[in-house]
Amino acid sequence: DQQVKQNSPSLSVQEGRISILNCDYTNSMFDYFLWYKKYPAEGPTFLISISSIKDKNEDGRFTVFLNKSAKHLSLHIVPSQPGDSAVYFCAASADSRGSTLGRLYFGRGTQLTVWP
Amino acid sequence: DAGITQSPRHKVTETGTPVTLRCHQTENHRYMYWYRQDPGHGLRLIHYSYGVKDTDKGEVSDGYSVSRSKTEDFLLTLESATSSQTSVYFCAIGLAYEQYFGPGTRLTVT
Repeated sequence: DQQVKQNSPSLSVQEGRISILNCDYTNSMFDYFLWYKKYPAEGPTFLISISSIKDKNEDGRFTVFLNKSAKHLSLHIVPSQPGDSAVYFCAASADSRGSTLGRLYFGRGTQLTVWP
Repeated sequence: DAGITQSPRHKVTETGTPVTLRCHQTENHRYMYWYRQDPGHGLRLIHYSYGVKDTDKGEVSDGYSVSRSKTEDFLLTLESATSSQTSVYFCAIGLAYEQYFGPGTRLTVT
């Protein structure tokens, strides 16, 4: 049973516009959320994260929003660039303090294509 | 780069043969993980380790075993490979909020 869901397998955006990637989760015990970016033939790389005590975290062009009541988070990329074209994975953890095993639960990913 | 290497990077093997994938880290990190990535499934945890000789199962552990005799090495073994184990395998190190992934091993079972 998928605890982290990315319902859009793909997203196409023009360069310079905003990209919004969405993620839903079902487990109310999740208290830390992450976004990873993956290029073909490479491992996923950490992009940005957010703790459940916050509703927004910003890092340059990337902003993650968390709506706990709706169990929904989104990643905004502004402005989008062709180099942002990749698969984006949403992930969640119920172990933000890192006291035990630090398991991550991943969504199925969204392929973002940014065209010129 | 987080100092994680995986070997081999590509492998083709036949059904029924044993296969071992290696993950090596230079970060001296306690936690290590094995994931597989398949179309339509994202990344799924196979096994993880929280120290030398301390391992446990993830969500898709059937048909896989692991060993960790040294901090730096985490081995994933397919005892008898099946076509359903054709996948890309990623090793990761770290904690939940800070996991770093290796470059992956593409395994094809024919």
